Amino acid sequence: DVKVTQSSRYLVKRTGEKVFLECVQDMDHENMFWYRQDPGLGLRLIYFSYDVKMKEKGDIPEGYSVSREKKERFSLILESASTNQTSMYLCASSLGQVPYEQYFGPGTRLTVT
Amino acid sequence: AQKITQTQPGMFVQEKEAVTLDCTYDTSDQSYGLFWYKQPSSGEMIFLIYQGSYDEQNATEGRYSLNFQKARKSANLVISASQLGDSAMYFCAMREAYGGATNKLIFGTGTLLAVQP
Repeated sequence: DVKVTQSSRYLVKRTGEKVFLECVQDMDHENMFWYRQDPGLGLRLIYFSYDVKMKEKGDIPEGYSVSREKKERFSLILESASTNQTSMYLCASSLGQVPYEQYFGPGTRLTVT
Repeated sequence: AQKITQTQPGMFVQEKEAVTLDCTYDTSDQSYGLFWYKQPSSGEMIFLIYQGSYDEQNATEGRYSLNFQKARKSANLVISASQLGDSAMYFCAMREAYGGATNKLIFGTGTLLAVQP
């Protein structure tokens, strides 16, 4: 079974702090994704990566950056956390072939105070 | 632009009855894929079913089936014999071609299903 793990289920940070969210997958998937989920808005793509050290902006990249130094690990970084980044963050991975089904981690609920 | 629309914010169904969750999509691509995911209150997104645009038959996975009507651009999820454990948020998603080996998913806003005993 594919396993996608995220470093924390719940996280509370203060405004202005630098925040790291870690995601690890164990199925040698080429593609990895970071989404945020907010009520009534569904899932919105922040960044994705199709290879080590490669990254592409999604629909809402402002205020975020990412790092992929190893194939299995994809990190989301909030350089200076703000209250409007309070949200559920979901990491996913997929193979680089049809159907490109994405497997998700359990999510990190981040609260910025 | 590609878009997924789920018009039912919430639905109720009696246990053991069938329920249909609506999903319409908009794309100009000829090749695309449609997915349904389930998100229980625990938060994890669980893949349920996939339909490719060139698949001639509707996809089925156990109690889940996808009613794919290409001309109407609809991909409704049908859950037969509902169970209490089916209570969850359900998301429809479409694969958006990015290029190469990477395809992004576009998600709808979800439908919250409550199964009543």
